[in-house]
Amino acid sequence: GDSVTQMEGPVTLSEEAFLTINCTYTATGYPSLFWYVQYPGEGLQLLLKATKADDKGSNKGFEATYRKETTSFHLEKGSVQVSDSAVYFCALGNTGTASKLTFGTGTRLQVTL
Amino acid sequence: NAGVMQNPRHLVRRRGQEARLRCSPMKGHSHVYWYRQLPEEGLKFMVYLQKENIIDESGMPKERFSAEFPKEGPSILRIQQVVRGDSAAYFCASSRGTEAKNIQYFGAGTRLSVL
Repeated sequence: GDSVTQMEGPVTLSEEAFLTINCTYTATGYPSLFWYVQYPGEGLQLLLKATKADDKGSNKGFEATYRKETTSFHLEKGSVQVSDSAVYFCALGNTGTASKLTFGTGTRLQVTL
Repeated sequence: NAGVMQNPRHLVRRRGQEARLRCSPMKGHSHVYWYRQLPEEGLKFMVYLQKENIIDESGMPKERFSAEFPKEGPSILRIQQVVRGDSAAYFCASSRGTEAKNIQYFGAGTRLSVL
């Protein structure tokens, strides 16, 4: 079945550092890929998405590229801020089972001054 | 345009009681999904509903759990005879449709604690 694997956290960075959170997936067919962010005590917010191979999703300085050859969708940001501290979830939605999203376990990011 | 509304935000139940979680989708959305998040884990799909129909309940436990999305009113996730293992955050999401371009929007969740 479909699955998503994320790097384990927590990830602790200083403000303005470069961020990479790795995400790889296993799926049949042609899934869409998503990054969601969860701030403390809140629900998930869509951060960015990519619907086909080689697409790059971007939002708020974050970006991720859909790499079919490596089945990856790594999240990157060039310069993190304290306000980026949150839990980040990689997810896939498979066109064969488009009714549900399959999530990774989440990566907690802590950014310090 | 209000987002996905869930209530209550926090729910405390004793073992054996019933828990009812409510979800009102975004305006114009007719597809509702329920997910469960156990502590320190990702979200796990439970059930997908359209108005008055359960479309996919492959993630629902076979016993004690049920869901509905009536023609009028919110979607309800019902857990009968709760046990400590039911303690989790339950998230509802809604979308306009199921094509890849349709995004699921999430509510703030209901955090269930079973004493």
